[in-house]
Amino acid sequence: EADIYQTPRYLVIGTGKKITLECSQTMGHDKMYWYQQDPGMELHLIHYSYGVNSTEKGDLSSESTVSRIRTEHFPLTLESARPSHTSQYLCASSAVGGDTQYFGPGTRLTVL
Amino acid sequence: GNSVTQMEGPVTLSEEAFLTINCTYTATGYPSLFWYVQYPGEGLQLLLKATKADDKGSNKGFEATYRKETTSFHLEKGSVQVSDSAVYFCALSATQGGSEKLVFGKGTKLTVNP
Repeated sequence: EADIYQTPRYLVIGTGKKITLECSQTMGHDKMYWYQQDPGMELHLIHYSYGVNSTEKGDLSSESTVSRIRTEHFPLTLESARPSHTSQYLCASSAVGGDTQYFGPGTRLTVL
Repeated sequence: GNSVTQMEGPVTLSEEAFLTINCTYTATGYPSLFWYVQYPGEGLQLLLKATKADDKGSNKGFEATYRKETTSFHLEKGSVQVSDSAVYFCALSATQGGSEKLVFGKGTKLTVNP
C-alpha cells in the first residue's frame, strides 16, 4: 500500500488568493508528479520531478509552480488563483526504475 | 506518438453482470500497461498491470491480458458488484523526450445497480 498524502482535501477560496497544495510521500520515491483532472475525468500532467532540485513542466501548460527541496515533499503553488483554476489536483510518485505511479487522494480546489 | 483509447462511458450494469471495458493503445517499443480505478472522491488506485506481451494482470476479480498483436488491454470481470462503481482508466508507460511518463485514456465511468 502506497503512502502518499495531500492536504487540504477540499479548498474553497476567492479570486486573487495565493495557495499552496501540499503533497508528501513516505516511500522514498525520487519521482513525483502533479496532475490536473477536469470535470470530464481526463487527467493532464502539469508538473513532474525526478529528484531534489529537479522540476519540469508537463504536457498541459499551467500557471502553477512547484518546488522540490526535499525528496518526500512536492508542493504546488498558485500565486493568484482564478476561477479557471477550479479543478481536482492529484499528486503521484514512483520509484526510480519503476513505472507504477502511486496516487494521493487529491485536492479539490474551487476558486470563486 | 503514444496514446490510449478506451471505451467511452458511462457504462451501467446490473449486479452480477459481466463487464468488459475496451482499451487499445499506440506506442513505440514495449510499454507496460495499467488499469487504474478511481472511486468517488478519491485518487487513483492501481488495479492491475502487465509488463510484456501475453501477460495477464489480475486483481479483485478483474483481469486484463496484454495483446501485442491487437495492441489491446481490455478489462474484464465476470460478476460485478455495486462496490465496483467507479471510473476506470487504462494507461501505458512511455518514454518521451528522455522522460518516463504515464499516458492515460480518458476514463470510463461504471455504475453497477443492485
